[in-house]
Amino acid sequence: AQTVTQSQPEMSVQEAETVTLSCTYDTSENNYYLFWYKQPPSRQMILVIRQEAYKQQNATENRFSVNFQKAAKSFSLKISDSQLGDTAMYFCAFMKPREYGNKLVFGAGTILRVKS
Amino acid sequence: GAGVSQSPSNKVTEKGKDVELRCDPISGHTALYWYRQSLGQGLEFLIYFQGNSAPDKSGLPSDRFSAERTGGSVSTLTIQRTQQEDSAVYLCASSLRDSNYGYTFGSGTRLTVV
Repeated sequence: AQTVTQSQPEMSVQEAETVTLSCTYDTSENNYYLFWYKQPPSRQMILVIRQEAYKQQNATENRFSVNFQKAAKSFSLKISDSQLGDTAMYFCAFMKPREYGNKLVFGAGTILRVKS
Repeated sequence: GAGVSQSPSNKVTEKGKDVELRCDPISGHTALYWYRQSLGQGLEFLIYFQGNSAPDKSGLPSDRFSAERTGGSVSTLTIQRTQQEDSAVYLCASSLRDSNYGYTFGSGTRLTVV
């Protein structure tokens, strides 16, 4: 079974600075997808970024980018120019395409606090 | 609808009572998932529905938990004889069939068993 590990329960960053959230996963699969979700206090899970394992190029979405190291099974999220609105719980998630039911397997999450 | 709608937003119930949590997925999304988020933990898969196929119930923690999806749309998660350890946020999500682009989540129901 796949597992996802987020080793940082909490992180803090000063507004406008850069922060990196760590994620490692364990799988024997070669074809899969990785995600970062953001959960603000409203509880609404918001997709931040998605990476396809067969693509070597790291995904980027505006201030958010990933460092995907397939051999090391590492998938970190970098947030540049941090903003107060980035304060949230961040979840790393793994998905293996299946014929029936593409389940997401989540890590335990990292609470990020952006300070002014 | 425009998004995944869950009701109630918050529910407080007494130990031993039954509760029903409702999820209204995005129109046209045939896949529907229920997850449980306990305090300080990640999201735990509960159950998956896809169209008229038999649901994947492999994540349900006990026989006190059940779910149904009527007409391929609205889903209800039922917890019978609630226990304090059932206290959690229950999140529903939907997607197009077997989408590998992730899901759209609702805002969840926070269940507190006292």
